[in-house]
Amino acid sequence: EAEVAQSPRYKITEKSQAVAFWCDPISGHATLYWYRQILGQGPELLVQFQDESVVDDSQLPKDRFSAERLKGVDSTLKIQPAELGDSAMYLCASSYKTSPYNEQFFGPGTRLTVL
Amino acid sequence: SQQGEEDPQALSIQEGENATMNCSYKTSINNLQWYRQNSGRGLVHLILIRSNEREKHSGRLRVTLDTSKKSSSLLITASRAADTASYFCATGDNYGQNFVFGPGTRLSVLP
Repeated sequence: EAEVAQSPRYKITEKSQAVAFWCDPISGHATLYWYRQILGQGPELLVQFQDESVVDDSQLPKDRFSAERLKGVDSTLKIQPAELGDSAMYLCASSYKTSPYNEQFFGPGTRLTVL
Repeated sequence: SQQGEEDPQALSIQEGENATMNCSYKTSINNLQWYRQNSGRGLVHLILIRSNEREKHSGRLRVTLDTSKKSSSLLITASRAADTASYFCATGDNYGQNFVFGPGTRLSVLP
């Protein structure tokens, strides 16, 4: 069964360092999402791509976060510099296309700890 | 502010009992989705109900939607220990964007 792949699964970094997360969506899924989930809370959408284009990044802290999906397939989310408050689970999801009715398939997430 | 708010925040029941959790939202929606998350893992889609639907079933799951009250409920019948997880409702707009998840209900099913 096709799955969304994410790496690394765990990342420990010191504040002010740069960190990057990678996501490979299910093959053929045009829409890709990055979420941040703080422990005990629901996921918060950071950025949504349709193919290689950003369709929603209104909640992305653009002073330190960046996301790209250059060829419309896999994607990278970067934080530079990392802050203590960035400690969270970073989830990637994909869906067949941007549609109100499509379910999202989630990867296992990357747990980030900033020291 | 978050669109969906689940209630209760935590629920503990015995195996075999039914579990009901509720979700309220603030603005008009196109559909509402329920997801499950096992501890430390990614989310799994459970069921989607459209704004023109009132009830939907999938196996042991029953979802209702009341757009006049801006609320939805998820019922899990004959619960099992494997149902122990966090459950989230999520809403999006008519364009498949602006996805917002609620804070979730943590369900514990005791054997």
